[in-house]
Amino acid sequence: ETGVTQTPRHLVMGMTNKKSLKCEQHLGHNAMYWYKQSAKKPLELMFVYSLEERVENNSVPSRFSPECPNSSHLFLHLHTLQPEDSALYLCASSQGPGDQPQHFGDGTRLSIL
Amino acid sequence: QKEVEQNSGPLSVPEGAIASLNCTYSDRGSQSFFWYRQYSGKSPELIMFIYSNGDKEDGRFTAQLNKASQYVSLLIRDSQPSDSATYLCAVRSGSGGGADGLTFGKGTHLIIQP
Repeated sequence: ETGVTQTPRHLVMGMTNKKSLKCEQHLGHNAMYWYKQSAKKPLELMFVYSLEERVENNSVPSRFSPECPNSSHLFLHLHTLQPEDSALYLCASSQGPGDQPQHFGDGTRLSIL
Repeated sequence: QKEVEQNSGPLSVPEGAIASLNCTYSDRGSQSFFWYRQYSGKSPELIMFIYSNGDKEDGRFTAQLNKASQYVSLLIRDSQPSDSATYLCAVRSGSGGGADGLTFGKGTHLIIQP
């Protein structure tokens, strides 16, 4: 149990589908993050939310749309994805301000058909 | 372009020996440094973090930071087979005043041989 819960754990979808990934943190943190991990590539930062405000959007295509309704929940809405979007999507949280470490959820393994 | 470089390995170390993992980073403004362990099919797990030059020890793990050389390392003493995993070096370049994303290396695959 990491304190950061992601659902679903696995998702298979067609390129025309719309789906959402969910992340919930139980650590009392006030910052949340989405990362993408593809094979043979480093983890890539996608979005950063601090106190429910988006503070960073790391040049992510618009087919990925984040939502942070409160400090405990983070969503990643997906639509019209491409095969190259197949990857492990990881959510993390941390307590700011300051240099507190980020703690990761178990991830959602996404496969695009 | 912020970059974090690690030797992808695999790095093979006999059980009981010291495993030494290295990482260099490009952004001189980097403020804090993290080591994560990732088992196959699992999420990254925080092992150590270090902010100041020098050494930081936690059990069998020691993190070493040299900001002048832009170099951070992780030493694992008395290596165990359960230490076999991919070790990810991550760097935060922001001021720490808010939420800052991490820049990760590709990771070093460590194998501890019984």
